[in-house]
Amino acid sequence: GQQLNQSPQSMFIQEGEDVSMNCTSSSIFNTWLWYKQDPGEGPVLLIALYKAGELTSNGRLTAQFGITRKDSFLNISASIPSDVGIYFCAGITQGGSEKLVFGKGTKLTVNP
Amino acid sequence: GAGVSQSPRYKVTKRGQDVTLRCDPISSHATLYWYQQALGQGPEFLTYFNYEAQPDKSGLPSDRFSAERPEGSISTLTIQRTEQRDSAMYRCASSSGTSGRSRQFFGPGTRLTVL
Repeated sequence: GQQLNQSPQSMFIQEGEDVSMNCTSSSIFNTWLWYKQDPGEGPVLLIALYKAGELTSNGRLTAQFGITRKDSFLNISASIPSDVGIYFCAGITQGGSEKLVFGKGTKLTVNP
Repeated sequence: GAGVSQSPRYKVTKRGQDVTLRCDPISSHATLYWYQQALGQGPEFLTYFNYEAQPDKSGLPSDRFSAERPEGSISTLTIQRTEQRDSAMYRCASSSGTSGRSRQFFGPGTRLTVL
């Protein structure tokens, strides 16, 4: 089936540092989404991308939809302790049903 | 309701038993999704409903898994003759439509452990 390769699997950073994570796929997606999952909670949508090349920001978060439609990245600037959690990329393919395909997640730890 | 709720939050069962998990979506939402999330993995699609219709159940791993949404609101996911490999977090999500631009809101999940 379709797979999203998300990297890195985990990151340990100091408060104030910038973070970058990305997802790649061999399939074309027409929507890319980035979610954050806190312990004991379900994923919460951070950013949605709908057009190839689109660059979208949400506060300290910036995400881009790759021009090949096969990749996306998420940047977090000036990290703070509450950024801790697992970040998932997800995509919706062209012409398929509206099911989301998720990456395996990037676990972020921020040391104060 | 204010958000997606799921019950029970935790379920421990013995291999071979049947289990039923419940999802209560956001009240105005037409579309409801079920996902399975193994430890250290992202959610994997199982099935979805548009009101009471079930257009896609391609992600259900076997015929032991079934889902219902008879009145287009609350949904149940039933696993018959559970096996240890069924142990996972089962997440429900709902959205107002079926367009890719319809945001999916996730519930807290049911953690299933099969002994």
